[in-house]
Amino acid sequence: GAVVSQHPSRVICKSGTSVKIECRSLDFQATTMFWYRQFPKQSLMLMATSNEGSKATYEQGVEKDKFLINHASLTLSTLTVTSAHPEDSSFYICSASGLAGGWDTQYFGPGTRLTVL
Amino acid sequence: RKEVEQDPGPFNVPEGATVAFNCTYSNSASQSFFWYRQDCRKEPKLLMSVYSSGNEDGRFTAQLNRASQYISLLIRDSKLSDSATYLCVVVVGFKTIFGAGTRLFVKA
Repeated sequence: GAVVSQHPSRVICKSGTSVKIECRSLDFQATTMFWYRQFPKQSLMLMATSNEGSKATYEQGVEKDKFLINHASLTLSTLTVTSAHPEDSSFYICSASGLAGGWDTQYFGPGTRLTVL
Repeated sequence: RKEVEQDPGPFNVPEGATVAFNCTYSNSASQSFFWYRQDCRKEPKLLMSVYSSGNEDGRFTAQLNRASQYISLLIRDSKLSDSATYLCVVVVGFKTIFGAGTRLFVKA
């Protein structure tokens, strides 16, 4: 299957700082990328969907100014958690799909565990 | 009512047992269905797609019943390595909806 990488895999930061997470599709062109967060023992919660070259579509309740998403190329999307607070501590997972404008099998990155002190 | 519902479990079964997971979805317009497996503190990984005609991959069998809006996953001859959370996934339009997952523990 296709490979998706995420970096960093783990980050610990102080409250008030910004954290950038990268998601890369290594062997295919990802026209659509998805960002999820997952709290312990809970399912994935979709935060936003981004298509290459356009603005991300955020799910209801997700703050656009707090979670900045950029999908500048067909292989890279970034999520920036701005002014992070302890309640932002979570497991952030990206996934990538290769079907333009639609949905195909989603390939997940290994996730980034964010801890805000 | 949740869009995708699963029994959270946990299911505790001995090695070699057969275990079945169920999943129901509420939107009759759903067009694609999948089972994902997620190990503790890891990302979900695609286990298999689900079709009305049924889909079998080794010890795993997935089934879709559109009339009842019901999806199932059957695991035969359970292995210790099958211990994980199994997520039912439904696609409606461009929206992907994950179930909360069913936890499986296979014991020696």
